[in-house]
Amino acid sequence: AQSVTQPDIHITVSEGASLELRCNYSYGATPYLFWYVQSPGQGLQLLLKYFSGDTLVQGIKGFEAEFKRSQSSFNLRKPSVHWSDAAEYFCAVGDNNAGNMLTFGGGTRLMVKP
Amino acid sequence: GAVVSQHPSRVICKSGTSVKIECRSLDFQATTMFWYRQFPKQSLMLMATSNEGSKATYEQGVEKDKFLINHASLTLSTLTVTSAHPEDSSFYICSAPYRSTEAFFGQGTRLTVV
Repeated sequence: AQSVTQPDIHITVSEGASLELRCNYSYGATPYLFWYVQSPGQGLQLLLKYFSGDTLVQGIKGFEAEFKRSQSSFNLRKPSVHWSDAAEYFCAVGDNNAGNMLTFGGGTRLMVKP
Repeated sequence: GAVVSQHPSRVICKSGTSVKIECRSLDFQATTMFWYRQFPKQSLMLMATSNEGSKATYEQGVEKDKFLINHASLTLSTLTVTSAHPEDSSFYICSAPYRSTEAFFGQGTRLTVV
């Protein structure tokens, strides 16, 4: 069965600093990988996704993620964090054999210091 | 882009009553939809897969008699929380697969049972 691990439950960074959120997955084949952001009380917004091809994926809001098969990782990065980036971030792996059912990691709550 | 609409966004109900949550794919058809539940400060857990024209598939531990799912058409799935109790209070969110590679999420429903 597939699984996703986000090792960091909480991360606090200063505004303007760089950010990296970790994600490790377990999946038998080439995974479909996603990063979502959730603001308090809100639904999920897709930041970026990886299906195949270039392992460095660009997303919205200045985010990027790199798929590393050897490390089973799909870490999310942003070079300079803005206060509005404070939110909950979820990494997910999709099972394309099950109609794109997603398995989510536990989430990482990002706080941004002024 | 594809849009999934979920209603209501918030609902408060009395213990013992039933609540219906709707999930609609607005500009594409979805023969399958997924229902997730999110407890406070936790990740999203798949509850069930809704299938148009057939019975829903429930994840282990999810009471099918409490969480009734009906996939009435190619664009509508409903989740009814029957005889709701305070422990059913949660954030419920649906998703619909789009093409073969991804899924779009509704805005979520915050259910509070008092």
